[in-house]
Amino acid sequence: GQQVMQIPQYQHVQEGEDFTTYCNSSTTLSNIQWYKQRPGGHPVFLIQLVKSGEVKKQKRLTFQFGEAKKNSSLHITATQTTDVGTYFCAGIMDSNYQLIWGAGTKLIIKP
Amino acid sequence: EAGVVQSPRYKIIEKKQPVAFWCNPISGHNTLYWYRQNLGQGPELLIRYENEEAVDDSQLPKDRFSAERLKGVDSTLKIQPAELGDSAVYLCASSLDLGDSSSYNEQFFGPGTRLTVL
Repeated sequence: GQQVMQIPQYQHVQEGEDFTTYCNSSTTLSNIQWYKQRPGGHPVFLIQLVKSGEVKKQKRLTFQFGEAKKNSSLHITATQTTDVGTYFCAGIMDSNYQLIWGAGTKLIIKP
Repeated sequence: EAGVVQSPRYKIIEKKQPVAFWCNPISGHNTLYWYRQNLGQGPELLIRYENEEAVDDSQLPKDRFSAERLKGVDSTLKIQPAELGDSAVYLCASSLDLGDSSSYNEQFFGPGTRLTVL
């Protein structure tokens, strides 16, 4: 079936280091959304990407949508303790407009 | 403005019992989603409503799960009978989607209902 694979499952970083999570779809996406979920909380919308090759920035966060609209990434520069949480992508399938979520990447800041 | 409201926040039941969850979306939001989230996993879409119409219920286990959104506002998700594997957090989300069923906008999530089936 249609899947959105997200890697890595976990990433441990020192505060100040960068963080990247990747989403890959088995089929072409119409658009993709990114969410952040803090421990014990609910997902909070970060951004939606629609266009092929699109790049959007929010302060230290950079979001990219691949040229083929099958992959996407989120990069955080110089992580801070407030960035801790799990980052999810949610892809909308171009074929049937089904919404499929990735399994998330958990960002852990090393003490 | 109030966010998405869900109740109850926590529910503990024995297997084979019925359970129901309620969601009130953000005022004016026409699209409502029910998700199930297991620990350490992403949300799994169970059903999506556009107003009172279920436009995607392909992943709803219809043998035991049912949902309704009769007046296109609040919604109820029911499980009958519950099984041990149904233990999870049930999330409701809403959005304002002005296009057809292929358009998705920012989803606002409620706090969820944590279900434990013993």
